[in-house]
Amino acid sequence: DAKTTQPNSMESNEEEPVHLPCNHSTISGTDYIHWYRQLPSQGPEYVIHGLTSNVNNRMASLAIAEDRKSSTLILHRATLRDAAVYYCIRIFQGGSEKLVFGKGTKLTVNP
Amino acid sequence: GAVVSQHPSRVICKSGTSVKIECRSLDFQATTMFWYRQFPKQSLMLMATSNEGSKATYEQGVEKDKFLINHASLTLSTLTVTSAHPEDSSFYICSARSLSGGTQYFGPGTRLLVL
Repeated sequence: DAKTTQPNSMESNEEEPVHLPCNHSTISGTDYIHWYRQLPSQGPEYVIHGLTSNVNNRMASLAIAEDRKSSTLILHRATLRDAAVYYCIRIFQGGSEKLVFGKGTKLTVNP
Repeated sequence: GAVVSQHPSRVICKSGTSVKIECRSLDFQATTMFWYRQFPKQSLMLMATSNEGSKATYEQGVEKDKFLINHASLTLSTLTVTSAHPEDSSFYICSARSLSGGTQYFGPGTRLLVL
């Protein structure tokens, strides 16, 4: 049970922002939200993670709702290389820290 | 960022033979490594968690005698698929977590085809 819900697919145009939503309504106070992405025929790649505050790094931004029941991964300017399956995963930090992958969101970027 | 390698990247073998896949953390020490399997058009499924110097913990439904895992050092874990059969054909991916915990870093995957 992945315990997160994401749309199966989304589409974007190159150089436009992309907002990838994730629902984690049963999240507990100690669960972190991690995002990974997987390009075709490759292993997953870490994107970003957060607990309560919004987070930014060179790849993306993570906006976490105040009640933490949802979050949004933001790619500020999509490129063709961003076409991938994006996985939103909740992890109990301090526990077994197993990653349970759901089906993710397949992002298509149009030129 | 942290780098994890896998070897080989792809392997073709005959049914009944054994195949060993290596997973190495190149620039950090990993107390814990994870092994996943991914069938076409499906998500990653965790097979087992490997801790350095101790026995691996297998997920429900994964045969420990068929998928042998060894984590002999802080930078190397191996997965051996014993007596491979065509239904074992899949994309095998490892990940490693550093001593300081937190993020998992994934290898590029090994594509196994059993004929």
